[in-house]
Amino acid sequence: GIQVEQSPPDLILQEGANSTLRCNFSDSVNNLQWFHQNPWGQLINLFYIPSGTKQNGRLSATTVATERYSLLYISSSQTTDSGVYFCAVVYQGGKLIFGQGTELSVKP
Amino acid sequence: GAGVSQSPRYKVAKRGQDVALRCDPISGHVSLFWYQQALGQGPEFLTYFQNEAQLDKSGLPSDRFFAERPEGSVSTLKIQRTQQEDSAVYLCASSLERGEHSPLHFGNGTRLTVT
Repeated sequence: GIQVEQSPPDLILQEGANSTLRCNFSDSVNNLQWFHQNPWGQLINLFYIPSGTKQNGRLSATTVATERYSLLYISSSQTTDSGVYFCAVVYQGGKLIFGQGTELSVKP
Repeated sequence: GAGVSQSPRYKVAKRGQDVALRCDPISGHVSLFWYQQALGQGPEFLTYFQNEAQLDKSGLPSDRFFAERPEGSVSTLKIQRTQQEDSAVYLCASSLERGEHSPLHFGNGTRLTVT
């Protein structure tokens, strides 16, 4: 089946720093989503991005479907950005296949 | 409600007990998914409904797991004769259209602990 790999697995930032999270996938996909799972376990939609670039405040995402990767950029990080970031590819009938996540910790 | 609602929020079951987990999707959403998330892992697909039809149940780990959505709205995930390896967070998600064409919105999950 399709493989979804995220890097880095863990990231520690000082508040105000920028970061880039990467998601590679092994097969053509219909779509891709980025999620933030907060410390209470809630999965929050960040981006629904099959291709191109989208921006929402301090966050932006770029998917290059032909090269099978997506990037999530976080600028001017805040402590509330802490948590686990998942990318998930939309595959075969709509089910999401998740990567293992990047655990981000932003220190004040 | 405004979002996907799941209940109970926490469930502790003794090994061998049956449990039922409920999901209320966003009103009008056609697609409904169940996922299982073990500690430190990404969510893994269990099953998918389009309205009342269960179109994919390939992720259900054993025949002890059963899901239904009889009227195309509320869904129930039932686990019979629970085992310790069933301990996980069970997440429900819904989307407005077929899942390929609209984003999924997740509930807060039910944390199941089997003792």
